[in-house]
Amino acid sequence: DIQMTQSPSSLSASVGDRVTITCRASQTISNYLNWYQQRPGKAPKLLIYAASRLQSGVPSRFGGSGSGTDFTLTITSLQPEDFATYFCQQTYSNPWTFGQGTNVEIK
Amino acid sequence: QLQLQESGPGLVKPSETLSLTCTVSGGSISSSDYYWGWIRQPPGKGLEWIGSIYYSGRSYYNPSLTSRVTISVDTSKTQISLKLSSVTAADTAVYYCARHSWQQVSRENWFDPWGQGTLVTVSS
Repeated sequence: DIQMTQSPSSLSASVGDRVTITCRASQTISNYLNWYQQRPGKAPKLLIYAASRLQSGVPSRFGGSGSGTDFTLTITSLQPEDFATYFCQQTYSNPWTFGQGTNVEIK
Repeated sequence: QLQLQESGPGLVKPSETLSLTCTVSGGSISSSDYYWGWIRQPPGKGLEWIGSIYYSGRSYYNPSLTSRVTISVDTSKTQISLKLSSVTAADTAVYYCARHSWQQVSRENWFDPWGQGTLVTVSS
C-alpha cells in the first residue's frame, strides 16, 4: 500500500494567515492526489483533485501543487470557516489511501 | 443537486454482518463517468477506502477487506449496498458513501460528493 504522510499533524493559525500543509507519498503517484476538508461532525468535502485542480465552488484561496511524491495544500488567507481537518488522498493505485489528517485550529 | 444518504442499523453484534444502503437522488446512478464508493472513519481517526462499484457491477475492493466485503448496485432503486461480514469492534466507524469520479483517459479519480455518513457500532 502507498503510505501518505501529512505534516504537520496540527497547526494553530489566525484569520488572514497563509497556511501550508504538506503531503508526502511513500512512492511516486504522479498527480493522482486529492485534498479534502472535513469540519467537525461533517462529511469530507473535495477541495482539490489531480493535485492542482480546484473543485467547482471551492474558494480560490485554496490551492494545490506538487507531483511525484511531494504535494502541498495552501490556503492564502485563512477564513473562520476554514478551521477544520484536511486530508490528502492518493488515487494512483489500489487501495486508495489517505493521509492521517492535519487539524487547523484557531490561534 | 446530487445527494447521497446512507442508512442501516447503528448497532451490529460481533461476528455478524454489517449491511448498509446508500440511496442516490438528484442524478443518475448509471452514468458512464462515475463509480460509487464506500469509505469509513473510526471515531477520532482517519479515512479508509472500502471499495467502489460501477453501475454495471464491476467493483474494486481494498485488499485488506476483500475477503469480508461485498458491494452491490441496484440501478432501479438508485441504491448502492455494502455488506461487511464477521465484524469486530475494529469495524466500528462512520460509514460514508460517495460518488467516485473516474476519468477514463487520464485515470484521475476523486470522491465527491459524500453522504452525511452513518455511525455503526459493533458491540454485543
